[in-house]
This record gives sequence, C-alpha cells and structure tokens, in this order.
Amino acid sequence: NAGVTQTPKFRILKIGQSMTLQCTQDMNHNYMYWYRQDPGMGLKLIYYSVGAGITDKGEVPNGYNVSRSTTEDFPLRLELAAPSQTSVYFCASSVARGASYGYTFGSGTRLTVV
Amino acid sequence: KQEVTQIPAALSVPEGENLVLNCSFTDSAIYNLQWFRQDPGKGLTSLLLIQSSQREQTSGRLNASLDKSSGRSTLYIAASQPGDSATYLCAVERGGSQGNLIFGKGTKLSVKP
Repeated sequence: NAGVTQTPKFRILKIGQSMTLQCTQDMNHNYMYWYRQDPGMGLKLIYYSVGAGITDKGEVPNGYNVSRSTTEDFPLRLELAAPSQTSVYFCASSVARGASYGYTFGSGTRLTVV
Repeated sequence: KQEVTQIPAALSVPEGENLVLNCSFTDSAIYNLQWFRQDPGKGLTSLLLIQSSQREQTSGRLNASLDKSSGRSTLYIAASQPGDSATYLCAVERGGSQGNLIFGKGTKLSVKP
C-alpha cells in the first residue's frame, strides 16, 4: 500500500518555466490537498479537491492550477515559475472531510526557482 | 484571521526528560486540533487529533490537551528518547472549512542520548 506518492522529489526551475507536480494516492480517498511549506514556516493550503472534477482554492492559490480527472491523481501546475514559489510542496489525502478521518501526506517535492 | 503560534521554536533536552510543547491559536471557533510529526525529507505523520468537544487525547508516551476557551493546546512527551527528535507541528481545522488546516511554524525537538 503506497499511500500518497509525489514526484519528483527535487526540481530546480528557471524563472518563467513551467512544470507539473504529480500526486497519486491508492487509498480511494475522495479528498485531496496541496500544501506548500516555506522555510521555517507552517504549511499553507494551495488547492483542494473533494472528488473527481471538483476543485477549489485554498489560502494561497495564485500562480498555481490544479485538475482532478480521476480519484487517484491530483496534479499541481506551475505556469510561470517565480522565485517566490521556491518551497516544499506536500500533497495529502483523506477519505472524507476533515482531520477526523485522518490525513495521509506524501513525502514532498522540494522546488527551487532560480 | 486564525493564527497558530508554537513555542518554543526549538528545544534540546537530554534523553529521559519529560517535556511540553505549546500551541496557541487566536480564534476559538475550531473544528479540531491536530499534532503532527515531521522528519527531515519526509511527509507529516499525524500523532494526535483532539475534537473541539474533547479535552485531551493520549497515545503511548504522548498526551495532548486542548483548552478551546483560552486558545491553547499542549503536547506532553514522557520519558523522551532520541527517536523523538523531529519537528512537531500543531494545526487547527476551522469550522466550516473543507480540510483547511492552519499550521503553526513548528517546534524542532532534539533529544540527546
């Protein structure tokens, strides 16, 4: 049981480049989330999804896009990378709304924009 | 706006010591509060979750308390071990928000043998 898998683990981007961070879960969870963690800071929610075809903005969505075509996958797209997007990105999932149902986090993608 | 503060930012203790990590939040209208452990290069692991109607939760050597009215939670670790070394994050889930956890910056714990 792999849980939540994120790829790549590390990436260096140049300013203005684009990339997609991949996230896949094999637990049949309806809810999926993208968080970013800046150095020395807590995590902040970027986008979340309550099921295939349904996504919504979190606290810091600017500069990002998401899609949810299947239950398993929730990719995060950066269109025009900026240095302010240098961060560690975490994907998470849960079976239903709220922490009561337990969150499973991926191991993160460390992104540097230069 | 909900803000979560964790004190201290870092803590170093000798093995075997009992210790307390503190978390405070500004808005008492929370759905629940959760403590996570974060190891370098790895994801977050949930340790304890306290519903807004509960006062505390225990798991092994860990005990978390919640005082919603004062906006405080503590994580008590008994008989600390070097394997407890990690960053501990506190997060609150706002009522009515779909899984939007508000995190503190964490307390980095080092337990020395």
